[in-house]
Amino acid sequence: NAGVMQNPRHLVRRRGQEARLRCSPMKGHSHVYWYRQLPEEGLKFMVYLQKENIIDESGMPKERFSAEFPKEGPSILRIQQVVRGDSAAYFCASSAQANTEAFFGQGTRLTVV
Amino acid sequence: TQLLEQSPQFLSIQEGENLTVYCNSSSVFSSLQWYRQEPGEGPVLLVTVVTGGEVKKLKRLTFQFGDARKDSSLHITAAQPGDTGLYLCAGVLNTGNQFYFGTGTSLTVIP
Repeated sequence: NAGVMQNPRHLVRRRGQEARLRCSPMKGHSHVYWYRQLPEEGLKFMVYLQKENIIDESGMPKERFSAEFPKEGPSILRIQQVVRGDSAAYFCASSAQANTEAFFGQGTRLTVV
Repeated sequence: TQLLEQSPQFLSIQEGENLTVYCNSSSVFSSLQWYRQEPGEGPVLLVTVVTGGEVKKLKRLTFQFGDARKDSSLHITAAQPGDTGLYLCAGVLNTGNQFYFGTGTSLTVIP
């Protein structure tokens, strides 16, 4: 009865490198949401995907950030040419149907040095 | 602009006391969720409310959805140190594609 799985839990990247964050939704869930959380702040929506489709990316920066949820395999959040300001906890959530209750993974903590 | 405002932002109480956390908005939500998050972990879903006026109980926690589906409250009876954490409300708009999160309430229960 695995929940939402995110890996890696911790990721350190030098400025200018690429960061790839993976999210495997709960079994039977085809809706995935990515959120970003800075220390002492709430969760900020980034992108909502349903298998092979981006439904809403209004919270994702237009440059350097991209997300995908292929037919097979986990959802990937990719950050190219990382900068120090990208350092944050990135959370993935999944739901069985659109906008029904969502379950979160344990997050990936990205540190850019 | 924050769609969901939570109050208080910080709360420190003694074990055994009661407390209420509020989640308010001027928007109408089709559903609202409450989560609890501990440091270094992801938010854990506590409850989902979908009907205006709905009340749900989870042991010592009581959740209420406002009649107009614009606000919600979380009441904890006889708080325990294990209740310590960040409490987040999140709502889905009728026409939305995302869960909007509240500003969060950081609760500390002192033994």
